[in-house]
Amino acid sequence: DIQMTQSPSSLSASVGDRVTITCRASQGISNSLAWYQQKPGKAPKLLLYAASRLESGVPSRFSGSGSGTDYTLTISSLQPEDFATYYCQQYYSTPSTFGPGTKVDIK
Amino acid sequence: QVQLQESGPGLVKPSQTLSLTCTVSGGSISSGGYYWSWIRQHPGKGLEWIGYIYYSGSTYYNPSLKSRVTISVDTSKNQFSLKLSSVTAADTAVYYCARNDGSSWLDSWGQGTLVTVSS
Repeated sequence: DIQMTQSPSSLSASVGDRVTITCRASQGISNSLAWYQQKPGKAPKLLLYAASRLESGVPSRFSGSGSGTDYTLTISSLQPEDFATYYCQQYYSTPSTFGPGTKVDIK
Repeated sequence: QVQLQESGPGLVKPSQTLSLTCTVSGGSISSGGYYWSWIRQHPGKGLEWIGYIYYSGSTYYNPSLKSRVTISVDTSKNQFSLKLSSVTAADTAVYYCARNDGSSWLDSWGQGTLVTVSS
């Protein structure tokens, strides 16, 4: 299985901050990467797929980049509704696997 | 906008079989083009893909659970189901059903249902 890691595991930020979360795969995944946002007690919500393609309806302050094994999720200006846990997922090979999550909370 | 809703017992005894159903509305499973998945999340932990099914009945199971998992589809009811046998406390988790475009990203999720394994 491809192992996914995320850094940091948690971060504290303020409204308006630029936030970057990193996801690393144990082998190259050819941009076969999705990002999800999960709020407490709720299901994950798809934000981006194919590493950088924004899901319909997702605000443009979310962006993704990367290649090979290393990928990033950037929130350009953190909003109050963005405080949540973020997960990456590789779908390059089966079984698809998820990162352990990055919790973004209020500084 | 497709919607998914999980249903089933919230409490299962050890060694028994966990059974959940996902009802899909706002779209037909039979229309094709999508796979229908089960994912679980242990309390306070990350996400684990259990497996998926196509409307034709073809399935994929995570090898880590393959010996205990069965996913089936009932296109007449627009539902798909999960059975997990010989459960232990380690199977206590929130179980989600979701839609995915092939073995890829998950674009629609149910709200999730907590299943506790306890005597």
